[in-house]
Amino acid sequence: AQTVTQSQPEMSVQEAETVTLSCTYDTSESDYYLFWYKQPPSRQMILVIRQEAYKQQNATENRFSVNFQKAAKSFSLKISDSQLGDAAMYFCAYRSQGKSTFGDGTTLTVKP
Amino acid sequence: GAGVSQSPSNKVTEKGKDVELRCDPISGHTALYWYRQRLGQGLEFLIYFQGNSAPDKSGLPSDRFSAERTGESVSTLTIQRTQQEDSAVYLCASSLNRGRRNTIYFGEGSWLTVV
Repeated sequence: AQTVTQSQPEMSVQEAETVTLSCTYDTSESDYYLFWYKQPPSRQMILVIRQEAYKQQNATENRFSVNFQKAAKSFSLKISDSQLGDAAMYFCAYRSQGKSTFGDGTTLTVKP
Repeated sequence: GAGVSQSPSNKVTEKGKDVELRCDPISGHTALYWYRQRLGQGLEFLIYFQGNSAPDKSGLPSDRFSAERTGESVSTLTIQRTQQEDSAVYLCASSLNRGRRNTIYFGEGSWLTVV
C-alpha cells in the first residue's frame, strides 16, 4: 500500500522569507501524480501544485515550487516570499490509478 | 480499522443509474467531509457533517447528489441518475472536530466511472 509521510506537524516562517515543507512517500508504482493542497480555515482544499511522476522537471506555480526526487521518493514544497495568506494546513497527496493517499498535514504559521 | 474506510474502491456504472458510496470514518471523529476529485483537478468540497448539527451541503453540485450520516458513524453519498461528468474519485475524510489544528484523515477514495 502507498504511504505518504509529512514529518513536520507544524512549521512557522517569517513573512517574506522562504519555507520548505517536506513530504516522502512509498510506492511500487511507476506512474503516479503528486499534489500539494492548502486547507485554509474554510473547508475547501485548494490545489497548490501538481507533479506528474514521469516529468523530471520540477513543477512551479508562482511563489510555490517543488523539489521532486523520484528515486528518493521525496516531494518537498518550497514557498518563497511567504505571505500572511499562506497560513494554512498543507497536505501532500499521492494518486495512482484512482486511489489517493494523503499525508497527515503540516500547519504553517506565517509571522508578520 | 484504524483509518477512514471507503467502499467500493472502484465502481463502473451505466449512465442514468443510481450509485451509493460509503464512508466509515475513524471512530470518535465528529467531523466528516466528502470531496470530489475529477481527473487532473483539485478537490471539490461537497458536504460536511459535524456531530448532530445540520450538514453543510453548500458544495453539492446538483439535487442528484445527497448524503446522509447516522450519528457520528457511517456516511453514504448517493448520486442519482448518474451522468458521465460525475466520473471522478470521491474522497471522504474525517477529523476530531472543526478546529484548524485538528488534522483531517482521508480515505483512499471511491473511483466512479460512468459509461
